[in-house]
Amino acid sequence: EAGVVQSPRYKIIEKKQPVAFWCNPISGHNTLYWYLQNLGQGPELLIRYENEEAVDDSQLPKDRFSAERLKGVDSTLKIQPAELGDSAVYLCASSPPGGPTYTGELFFGEGSRLTVL
Amino acid sequence: GENVEQHPSTLSVQEGDSAVIKCTYSDSASNYFPWYKQELGKRPQLIIDIRSNVGEKKDQRIAVTLNKTAKHFSLHITETQPEDSAVYFCAASGGGADGLTFGKGTHLIIQP
Repeated sequence: EAGVVQSPRYKIIEKKQPVAFWCNPISGHNTLYWYLQNLGQGPELLIRYENEEAVDDSQLPKDRFSAERLKGVDSTLKIQPAELGDSAVYLCASSPPGGPTYTGELFFGEGSRLTVL
Repeated sequence: GENVEQHPSTLSVQEGDSAVIKCTYSDSASNYFPWYKQELGKRPQLIIDIRSNVGEKKDQRIAVTLNKTAKHFSLHITETQPEDSAVYFCAASGGGADGLTFGKGTHLIIQP
């Protein structure tokens, strides 16, 4: 079974340019997360989706960041315009529906490393 | 919201010795405490977890302990091996699909 797939793996852009990251979660996982990981730090939650609904976007800087998960499967995270401080790894993760067998484990993608020059 | 503190930030041990990483959390409602291992340039991967109704859990060379009263939990790795070198993150959540709050990570270095 394929894991969480993210693209692109690496992206280098100049400041003020837009950038978008794509995530395809594990099949059947209805919860999708976008995390930001700065160098040497732990992942920080940006947004969480339950199916197509954003149920927690309190940490998403809405002036320049946006996200969507239109059909409750794939998701896109966009930054426009990018700033130097946005250089980081953007991790997508998914988890299955709750229930007796739900463990709480998050399954992460390999991440998209953004460098803003 | 939840706040997770993790110590130390870097830990260097001799191969074969034990390593202990400690975390504290702030939200008494948190009930799920996983540990993730992240190798350089790779994705974080779950290595062990514990729920608040359990005080200790062990899986071969790794174990996790939880003290709910003190709101702290620890990762113990025995007989460390070179492949244990990585960054380890603790995390906490209120369960369900709330999402995890991570500590800042511990860079574990195994000296040959």
